[in-house]
Amino acid sequence: NAGVTQTPKFQVLKTGQSMTLQCAQDMNHNSMYWYRQDPGMGLRLIYYSASEGTTDKGEVPNGYNVSRLNKREFSLRLESAAPSQTSVYFCASTSPGPKSVYGYTFGSGTRLTVV
Amino acid sequence: SQQGEEDPQALSIQEGENATMNCSYKTSINNLQWYRQNSGRGLVHLILIRSNEREKHSGRLRVTLDTSKKSSSLLITASRAADTASYFCATDNSGGSNYKLTFGKGTLLTVNP
Repeated sequence: NAGVTQTPKFQVLKTGQSMTLQCAQDMNHNSMYWYRQDPGMGLRLIYYSASEGTTDKGEVPNGYNVSRLNKREFSLRLESAAPSQTSVYFCASTSPGPKSVYGYTFGSGTRLTVV
Repeated sequence: SQQGEEDPQALSIQEGENATMNCSYKTSINNLQWYRQNSGRGLVHLILIRSNEREKHSGRLRVTLDTSKKSSSLLITASRAADTASYFCATDNSGGSNYKLTFGKGTLLTVNP
């Protein structure tokens, strides 16, 4: 199984450009997440989708939009990239049980640089 | 805002020694999880401990949870060079169906051969 697949792995954007980060999982998970990781900041939640058809803001949603295209795919869009969005972006998925007993499965990340 | 805070920020030990990392959090939780991240890679889930559990083991890993002190510790016994990585605690304090984790800033563990 591939698990969680993120594309692209690396990207350089100019300020003001737009792009979409793709994420797909093949584990039939219900919930999917986008996090960003910055040095010294740990991981911060951008948006998440508890189930197909729903999306919610996380801790740092400004400048981003998401689409839960179907149960497998959850994309993150930067409409007008800014240098502050330079980061490593991680997609994760899980299928929580009734008592939230599941951990996340993470993708390998997208390293984005905005110049 | 960060829910979990790991301590220390960095830890360097010799192969064969034990490594202990601590995590403190602020609000009540449903469960607490530990993840490992090798350099340049995604995070890997290691172990989950529920709020009604006090200790859990998995191979060379031992996790404790003290809800009265809002703290957890991760012990790696007989460390190996391959254990070199960043370790993150993550807490679930979500309600209903909106399950989401809040991560700490991590502890960088270096195991010297």
